[in-house]
Amino acid sequence: DAGVTQSPTHLIKTRGQHVTLRCSPISGHKSVSWYQQVLGQGPQFIFQYYEKEERGRGNFPDRFSARQFPNYSSELNVNALLLGDSALYLCASHGIRQGSIFGSGTQLSVL
Amino acid sequence: GENVEQHPSTLSVQEGDSAVIKCTYSDSASNYFPWYKQELGKRPQLIIDIRSNVGEKKDQRIAVTLNKTAKHFSLHITETQPEDSAVYFCAAMEGNGATNKLIFGTGTLLAVQP
Repeated sequence: DAGVTQSPTHLIKTRGQHVTLRCSPISGHKSVSWYQQVLGQGPQFIFQYYEKEERGRGNFPDRFSARQFPNYSSELNVNALLLGDSALYLCASHGIRQGSIFGSGTQLSVL
Repeated sequence: GENVEQHPSTLSVQEGDSAVIKCTYSDSASNYFPWYKQELGKRPQLIIDIRSNVGEKKDQRIAVTLNKTAKHFSLHITETQPEDSAVYFCAAMEGNGATNKLIFGTGTLLAVQP
């Protein structure tokens, strides 16, 4: 499970700026999902990608976008940052046997 | 869509006692139910999961039970230890088969008193 890597670990941005978060899944996993976890709440689903195609989208505005690369790594992009976007952003790597394994996340603070 | 409710929100037990956390779900098509443990400032860690074709699963001091008819599942921790203290989340995977989308409960803060 230590194989899901996310970068950066922490990020501080100001309102209106853009942010890109990165994730590399466990070797051999072809699918990743992104979740937003606000302090004190459970993770909320944002996107899932499988073989570079979007498989699912949560209830998030169009300011949120993502993509998956041929090596199965993924980026989450958030435009026009709002204070309410401050959260822990988690990437999950999906395997049939292992279930959904989370990376350590990126803690985003919007000032 | 799927909705998951989790109770209690906080649970305090004495070391060595058992702890039980309960969740209900709404979508009868859901077929996969994982449990995650999250320590402060860390990632959710998968501790056990169950699929809808079984009613119970055990892994050492941890067990999960599933009642498909009633649409509820529970986490049981026996012989609790201080290191079990954390927030526990239940989740259900949406049953449409197209995604691995997990719907999480609101979490249970478990405190094990030494």
